[in-house]
Amino acid sequence: NAGVTQTPKFRVLKTGQSMTLLCAQDMNHEYMYWYRQDPGMGLRLIHYSVGEGTTAKGEVPDGYNVSRLKKQNFLLGLESAAPSQTSVYFCASRQDADTQYFGPGTRLTVL
Amino acid sequence: SQQGEEDPQALSIQEGENATMNCSYKTSINNLQWYRQNSGRGLVHLILIRSNEREKHSGRLRVTLDTSKKSSSLLITASRAADTASYFCAPVIPGGTSYGKLTFGQGTILTVHP
Repeated sequence: NAGVTQTPKFRVLKTGQSMTLLCAQDMNHEYMYWYRQDPGMGLRLIHYSVGEGTTAKGEVPDGYNVSRLKKQNFLLGLESAAPSQTSVYFCASRQDADTQYFGPGTRLTVL
Repeated sequence: SQQGEEDPQALSIQEGENATMNCSYKTSINNLQWYRQNSGRGLVHLILIRSNEREKHSGRLRVTLDTSKKSSSLLITASRAADTASYFCAPVIPGGTSYGKLTFGQGTILTVHP
């Protein structure tokens, strides 16, 4: 039981490049979330999903897209990366209880 | 906003001492959760206290909740160097905060010196 995993762990992009961050959970959770964490800002919600095939916007969705084609996976895409998207990205999942389970994070740098 | 605000922003203590962190919030809540984040790692759920509870214990952790003052505190007793981390509170408003979204403050950075 791996819990929540994220790939890659680190990535460096040039401005304008695209990439996809993968989040996978093996707990059969319905809800999944993508957050970003910046110094002095706490965690901010980017997008979330309440089940397979559904997605919704969070607090800071601009510049990101997501997909939840399979229940266990939640993908976060950056179509044209910008330096303002340099951050640490965390995925989380939960079932019925309010407790969220977090992945280890992806550190992204956009040059 | 249902964001919790942690206080103090930073706390430095010696191993063996107790550490107390506070959280204030602005709206009625369903429950309040505390999470820990070790440097460079994801958040780990520590404890959840419901609005009808006043105190809850888990190992060396003690959480209190005062809904009249809209505040909570997290006490770590007999601290260890391994407790060095950032601690976040997340108040959850009734109705599931739109599908259970959590809103985090900036956290309290706890440093425990050996």
